[in-house]
Amino acid sequence: AQTVTQSQPEMSVQEAETVTLSCTYDTSENNYYLFWYKQPPSRQMILVIRQEAYKQQNATENRFSVNFQKAAKSFSLKISDSQLGDTAMYFCAFMNPPLGRLYFGRGTQLTVWP
Amino acid sequence: DTGVSQDPRHKITKRGQNVTFRCDPISEHNRLYWYRQTLGQGPEFLTYFQNEAQLEKSRLLSDRFSAERPKGSFSTLEIQRTEQGDSAMYLCASSLDGPGSGDYSTDTQYFGPGTRLTVL
Repeated sequence: AQTVTQSQPEMSVQEAETVTLSCTYDTSENNYYLFWYKQPPSRQMILVIRQEAYKQQNATENRFSVNFQKAAKSFSLKISDSQLGDTAMYFCAFMNPPLGRLYFGRGTQLTVWP
Repeated sequence: DTGVSQDPRHKITKRGQNVTFRCDPISEHNRLYWYRQTLGQGPEFLTYFQNEAQLEKSRLLSDRFSAERPKGSFSTLEIQRTEQGDSAMYLCASSLDGPGSGDYSTDTQYFGPGTRLTVL
């Protein structure tokens, strides 16, 4: 069974600073996808970034980047130049195609303060 | 496309009543998923459809739960004889498992706003 662990229930960062959210996962599969989703207080889940396991290069999306360590089964999210609008619950998720279902961690509540 | 939509956004019901939720996926997406999220937890998978076929169901989906996706478009999730433990946010997501218009990544799930169910 696939499991996803987010060991930081809460994090806080000052505006314009950089923060890293941790995620580890457990799987015996070799082909899979990893995701970070953001869920602001309005509750709509929004995709932040995605990583394919077969790609060695870490994914980046503007201020968001990941550090994917396949051997260590680690998938951390780095947010640079944090903004107030980044305040949200962040979920790490795993998917093993073609089954399609997502396995989520319990989330990290990130607060960005002025 | 306006993204994934869900209706209603909020539902309050009494224990023992039946409720039905609707999800309209992104129009070009052939896969549709249902998840349940309780306070302080990540979403948990319930079931998913590829077109009109229901391909996988979680053990969380008891006999009181049923989902349909007629004609491979919108989907409904019905809960019969609701219990207080059914109170949660019910999330719908859709994805595409092949090439699309380019607006959405393949095999990436896009979520709707959810339906919050409160069972009194």
